[in-house]
Amino acid sequence: QSALTQPASVSGSPGQSITISCTGTSSDLGDYNSVSWYQHYPGKAPQLIIYDVTNRPSGVSNRFSGSKSGNTASLTISGLQAEDEADYYCSSYTSSITWVFGGGTKLTVL
Amino acid sequence: QVQLVESGGGVVQPERSLTLSCAASGFTFSSYGMHWVRQAPGKGLEWVAVIWYDATKKYYADSVKGRFTISRDNYKNTLYLQMNSLRAEDTAVYYCARKAPCSTSCYAVDYWGQGTLVTVSS
Repeated sequence: QSALTQPASVSGSPGQSITISCTGTSSDLGDYNSVSWYQHYPGKAPQLIIYDVTNRPSGVSNRFSGSKSGNTASLTISGLQAEDEADYYCSSYTSSITWVFGGGTKLTVL
Repeated sequence: QVQLVESGGGVVQPERSLTLSCAASGFTFSSYGMHWVRQAPGKGLEWVAVIWYDATKKYYADSVKGRFTISRDNYKNTLYLQMNSLRAEDTAVYYCARKAPCSTSCYAVDYWGQGTLVTVSS
C-alpha cells in the first residue's frame, strides 16, 4: 500500500494553466479508472473535484479536468485563480480492495 | 445537506485505546459505505478503513490492521472507529467520509467531515 506519487508543489500565475501528476502502479491507478482528485484547504474538509479519472461533480468548475495514461493520472487547472491555492490529493482504488492517496501537492498562485 | 460530524478525539497515551464517532445526517446513512481517512501533522491524507453500507465487508490499511476496528450503527446513523494499541504515529486528524454510490462512482469519496484530532503522547 505505497502512496501514489505526486509533486510536492506546483505554482502558476493567475490565468495560467497548471498540471499535477499522480503516479501509481498496475495494482491501483493503472488497473482501474478509479482516480479521484480532492481539493483541501488546511483546517477544512477535503472536497471531491474529479472522480473516475475525468468526471466533475455537480458544482465543480469546468476549469478542473482530469486524465490518465497508463499508471499516471493528471489534474489540470486552467485559468488559475487565487482561490485555487490549496492542497490537492489524488486517490485510487486498489486490487486489494483498499484505497490509496497521493502525498499531496501544494498549489501556489503567484 | 450532507453533514458528517466527528467526535471523540483527544490526547491518549501510547498503547491505550480510543473510539471515534461520526454522526451522519442529510442522507440515508444505511445506504452508503463509509470511510475513515487520516492526516498526520504536516503530512498527506492516508486512507484508514472502509465499511460497506450493511457492514458485511470491512477493509483496512496495513498500518492499522489488527489494531483498529471500523463499525456502524445504521439505527443511530453513526460510524465508529475503535482504535487499540495506539502509537505515536497514529497522531492525526481523523476524517469520516462517505463512499459515493456506485450510481455515481464506486470508488470516489464524495463528502467529508471536518475531522477530529487524535494525539498519542505520554
